[in-house]
Amino acid sequence: IAGITQAPTSQILAAGRRMTLRCTQDMRHNAMYWYRQDLGLGLRLIHYSNTAGTTGKGEVPDGYSVSRANTDDFPLTLASAVPSQTSVYFCASSDVGTASYNEQFFGPGTRLTVL
Amino acid sequence: EDKVVQSPLSLVVHEGDTVTLNCSYEVTNFRSLLWYKQEKKAPTFLFMLTSSGIEKKSGRLSSILDKKELFSILNITATQTGDSAVYLCAVASGNNRKLIWGLGTSLAVNP
Repeated sequence: IAGITQAPTSQILAAGRRMTLRCTQDMRHNAMYWYRQDLGLGLRLIHYSNTAGTTGKGEVPDGYSVSRANTDDFPLTLASAVPSQTSVYFCASSDVGTASYNEQFFGPGTRLTVL
Repeated sequence: EDKVVQSPLSLVVHEGDTVTLNCSYEVTNFRSLLWYKQEKKAPTFLFMLTSSGIEKKSGRLSSILDKKELFSILNITATQTGDSAVYLCAVASGNNRKLIWGLGTSLAVNP
């Protein structure tokens, strides 16, 4: 693989179910991010990780959790899905140094519908 | 509160036209401004700007930053239907590695 992959591509989920969105990158980037994108609201950061073993809350973290056990993987879990979590979810990564900032690379996205 | 505002929200032009997209920002400790293009799927990176007055150029696209007036413009000359997309602006601020995103400008180029 090259770049970032996400799985599944799309999913329809019943409310109350648990769901994990997967994200894997092979660029050895230290930072990874999860966004949701909704019409009229743009890209909103859910959670991020600056390096393996650390995570942080973004703008809209409620109802979501993440883990970063290694450099490559950054799964996003919805513990008990609700209809308001219907969205397109993007995973991104970047190689950020202490004195520089580099662009974020995005995965292809997961379209999630919660009924 | 940090914010990034893009204008216009949407734009319809004819092939061959030149367009200018705007991005203004209010952030603490500005580090860089980034432009992305989003077609049907994921945003793809176009430019990163860190210094005022230095134009970045790629083919028919160019961008410049004004750190005094706190804005950037993205120009597209001789537009083509393939330029139809949402153009997103984002700003990196402070010592964290997060971006502050604008809502985007939706550009439609008609043949």
